[in-house]
Amino acid sequence: GAVVSQHPSWVICKSGTSVKIECRSLDFQATTMFWYRQFPKQSLMLMATSNEGSKATYEQGVEKDKFLINHASLTLSTLTVTSAHPEDSSFYICSARGGGEGYTFGSGTRLTVV
Amino acid sequence: AQKVTQAQTEISVVEKEDVTLDCVYETRDTTYYLFWYKQPPSGELVFLIRRNSFDEQNEISGRYSWNFQKSTSSFNFTITASQVVDSAVYFCALATEYGNKLVFGAGTILRVKS
Repeated sequence: GAVVSQHPSWVICKSGTSVKIECRSLDFQATTMFWYRQFPKQSLMLMATSNEGSKATYEQGVEKDKFLINHASLTLSTLTVTSAHPEDSSFYICSARGGGEGYTFGSGTRLTVV
Repeated sequence: AQKVTQAQTEISVVEKEDVTLDCVYETRDTTYYLFWYKQPPSGELVFLIRRNSFDEQNEISGRYSWNFQKSTSSFNFTITASQVVDSAVYFCALATEYGNKLVFGAGTILRVKS
């Protein structure tokens, strides 16, 4: 079945540094990728929707200059958390439109900013 | 606007008990898609079912069953003879167009004790 590979699975970074998270569709073309953030014991909140070759559409309240999304190819989308701070610590998960189930999720990235 | 409500924050049952997780949705669209996902402690989302708005037929898959009732805008999920491995967070989600963004409910934590 369809697979989205998300890396890294977890990352610890220092406050003020940037972190890049990659989501790669392995056996299908992901024209649209959704990026979600999940704080502990909370639901998944959509951050942005990215379409291959165009600028991402951010949800209200999400800083586009802080969370940079690049979707330059049909198989790769990246989320870069710039100048990360402890409040950015969260679980980030991507989802590609496609695959037999309609949406194929990555395995998630647990970000801890210290 | 679309909304998914999972009123049960947490449910605890003893192994072999049946348990029903409630999901109520809101949308003005006549075509929409409903999903259930399981999120174990590792964090990845496990797809359980997708149902479109024109298919009200209930579904059974092993110990899992789903009851979709448009009249009450509900899409409830029942686990029969629960097992410890069923312990997880369960999310109900809605998409108003196939491939459009998913709106998640708050999730229900299910704890199955042996």
